[in-house]
Amino acid sequence: NAGVTQTPKFQVLKTGQSMTLQCAQDMNHNSMYWYRQDPGMGLRLIYYSASEGTTDKGEVPNGYNVSRLNKREFSLRLESAAPSQTSVYFCASSEWPGAGETQYFGPGTRLLVL
Amino acid sequence: LAKTTQPISMDSYEGQEVNITCSHNNIATNDYITWYQQFPSQGPRFIIQGYKTKVTNEVASLFIPADRKSSTLSLPRVSLSDTAVYYCLVGDTGNTDKLIFGTGTRLQVFP
Repeated sequence: NAGVTQTPKFQVLKTGQSMTLQCAQDMNHNSMYWYRQDPGMGLRLIYYSASEGTTDKGEVPNGYNVSRLNKREFSLRLESAAPSQTSVYFCASSEWPGAGETQYFGPGTRLLVL
Repeated sequence: LAKTTQPISMDSYEGQEVNITCSHNNIATNDYITWYQQFPSQGPRFIIQGYKTKVTNEVASLFIPADRKSSTLSLPRVSLSDTAVYYCLVGDTGNTDKLIFGTGTRLQVFP
């Protein structure tokens, strides 16, 4: 039981390049989330998927797209990376959506955009 | 929104009890109070959740007064490994508008 896994662990991009961050969970959770965390800051919600087949914007969705590939997998895509997107990205899942549900987080992806 | 307010940082020594208070004056009837712990370079980890009165598990206790406008996370006899950032979240099931982690409380434990 691996919980929530993320790939890659670390990535360096040049401005304008694109990439996809992958996330998978093996807990049969309905809801999945993508957060970003900038140095010294809390987590900010980028996008979430309340259930398979649905996605919605969070607090900071600009510059990102997501795909809920199936119940297990939720990917985050940067179409044209910008230095402002340098951050640590965390994926999380919960049985149902909402702050009242326990969220389980992955180890994070550290992204540097030059 | 049930905005939360926590101290930015706290210091303690090994073996002491640490209490971190979170204010949430606008908490709604259906909201739960959930605390997470985050170590450097790791994702947050669930510690404890409560609705009212007191909840205790093997890691911490959570005290919630009757008016539910605040809550206190209590860590008994902290060790160096408890050095982390602690986040308080307030919200219900189904409402993702309240998924606001804020900057949390940075706890530093000294030997």
